[in-house]
Parts: sequence; structure tokens; C-alpha cells
Amino acid sequence: EPEVTQTPSHQVTQMGQEVILRCVPISNHLYFYWYRQILGQKVEFLVSFYNNEISEKSEIFDDQFSVERPDGSNFTLKIRSTKLEDSAMYFCASSERAGGLYGYTFGSGTRLTVV
Amino acid sequence: GQQVMQIPQYQHVQEGEDFTTYCNSSTTLSNIQWYKQRPGGHPVFLIQLVKSGEVKKQKRLTFQFGEAKKNSSLHITATQTTDVGTYFCAGGTNNAGNMLTFGGGTRLMVKP
Repeated sequence: EPEVTQTPSHQVTQMGQEVILRCVPISNHLYFYWYRQILGQKVEFLVSFYNNEISEKSEIFDDQFSVERPDGSNFTLKIRSTKLEDSAMYFCASSERAGGLYGYTFGSGTRLTVV
Repeated sequence: GQQVMQIPQYQHVQEGEDFTTYCNSSTTLSNIQWYKQRPGGHPVFLIQLVKSGEVKKQKRLTFQFGEAKKNSSLHITATQTTDVGTYFCAGGTNNAGNMLTFGGGTRLMVKP
């Protein structure tokens, strides 16, 4: 079964440092997403991406965040200057249709710890 | 903005008992999806409901979408220890474009 692959699985970084989280969505999916989940809490939408541009973003996705699809297979989330409150599990997801119609496929996540 | 609430937050059941989680949206949804997240895992898509009043079954799991398309429920009959995890509903709206709004989840614990 096709998978969404995320690397690294864990990332520890110092406050103020830049991090890049990487994702390889399912190859025939056109819609890509980043969500995050603070430990034990709900899954929160960050951003959706289609046709090489952001289609929607949440209030969480401020100027410190950016996304890129640099080479047609990878989908990255960059946090420019990490804060303690950025510590969370970051999930990449992809879907075949808009709005996650027919469901999202989530990756296994990157656990980001900011110290 | 759109809010999706789920109750209960936690549920302990004895193996063999039934379990239900309820989901309510502050706005009318175009579709609702259900995901299961095992402890330490990632959300896994279970099902999508699109039509008003729709009912779908997957073995021991029954999913319902309300007539007003603002609420949904997941019912598990005769729970097993393999059902342990957190069940999330996630609502999509036409206005919202591509995003899904997740509920807070119901964490199910099953005692053998």
C-alpha cells in the first residue's frame, strides 16, 4: 500500500534555529498538507498546497513557516526560527482529491522538540 | 472559525462492551471523515460520509452523518483490545477549500 514518508522521525533543535521537515507524498496525489499535534491534543491544520502554491493556511502558519515542493517529489516544511511552543508532532498528509475527499494519507510524523 | 467538538474525551470499556463517540460541528459540513490513531502512531483514514443521514458500516463499526450535516457518530459493537486508540472526526466544508478541521478525539481504552 502506498505510503507518505517523513524524515526525520525525531528532531531536536535549539530555540531560534531553523528546521526543515521533509515529506514524500504518494506519487499520484495532488494535494499536500501539513498538520501538527501537540502531545495528547487535537490534530491542527497548518497549510495545504496544490499546484505548487499554498491554497490555504491557518493562523498558526505565520511568517516563520514556509513550504516548498522543490523537486516534484519532496514536500518540505521550514520553520525559520523555532520557538519552544513549536514542539509537537508534525504530520504530512496527501490526498488524491481536494478537501481530502476519499481521505488523507498521513505520514508517520516528525517529532520536533525545541529546547 | 469552524469548530468541531467531540465527546467523550475518554472512554474506558470492558472488552465486549459497545462504544460510541459523537462529533458536532459549528457549521454545516460538506463531508465528514473518521480517523483512528493508535498510541504513538499517526491518524489512519477509516471512512468518509458525504450525504445527509448517511449510514455506513465496516464490520463492527457503524458511522452516521446527521440530517443537518453538522453531527456524526461512530459506534463500535463488542469492542476488542485491538480497538484501542483515539478516534478523530474531521469535517470538511466547501468554503474551507482544502482543509479538514479535526475534532479533539475520543480516546478509547479497552480492558481485557
